[in-house]
Amino acid sequence: DTGVSQDPRHKITKRGQNVTFRCDPISEHNRLYWYRQTLGQGPEFLTYFQNEAQLEKSRLLSDRFSAERPKGSFSTLEIQRTEQGDSAMYLCASSARYNSPLHFGNGTRLTVT
Amino acid sequence: GIQVEQSPPDLILQEGANSTLRCNFSDSVNNLQWFHQNPWGQLINLFYIPSGTKQNGRLSATTVATERYSLLYISSSQTTDSGVYFCAVEVNRDDKIIFGKGTRLHILP
Repeated sequence: DTGVSQDPRHKITKRGQNVTFRCDPISEHNRLYWYRQTLGQGPEFLTYFQNEAQLEKSRLLSDRFSAERPKGSFSTLEIQRTEQGDSAMYLCASSARYNSPLHFGNGTRLTVT
Repeated sequence: GIQVEQSPPDLILQEGANSTLRCNFSDSVNNLQWFHQNPWGQLINLFYIPSGTKQNGRLSATTVATERYSLLYISSSQTTDSGVYFCAVEVNRDDKIIFGKGTRLHILP
């Protein structure tokens, strides 16, 4: 059990560019979640997967955000045409199944200049 | 949607003191979890506690689901307990997990 892994740890990009983050959940964890956290706030739900199926996507998420989890393993989160308001920590978490503890990765810190 | 409120928002204590953090939620939940976010930003799962009481060393948690609240107790605080404590709830089987805004705890040496 190597824990939830996120890559990259930090990303600096210019406004208007596209970025993609990767998350590798704990092995055999069925559920995978993406959250966004800004300074002084709690994690804000973005989307989550049960295996490869995306079960829910936050209404707060614009069409510029998309997430995938092919084959129910790793997941990617893409942000198109980044804006300065997208600057935040993007957190990935996984759980073995419904009603089991959630485990977080170290996050990807995005800075849009 | 469900509302999750944590209190107090901030807490400053001397090392060795005890503390109680509270999480209120506005609807029935299927599960509730407590997390600690350390000063480096890492979120650690402390308890998975949809109901009842659990203890882990100096930390314990109680959830009274029928009254829609949970408490996290920290005894004999240490400086390493500093950080932000979040509770998170899930209402139904295929619902998202929602976090409160957290309690920021600062333990003075």
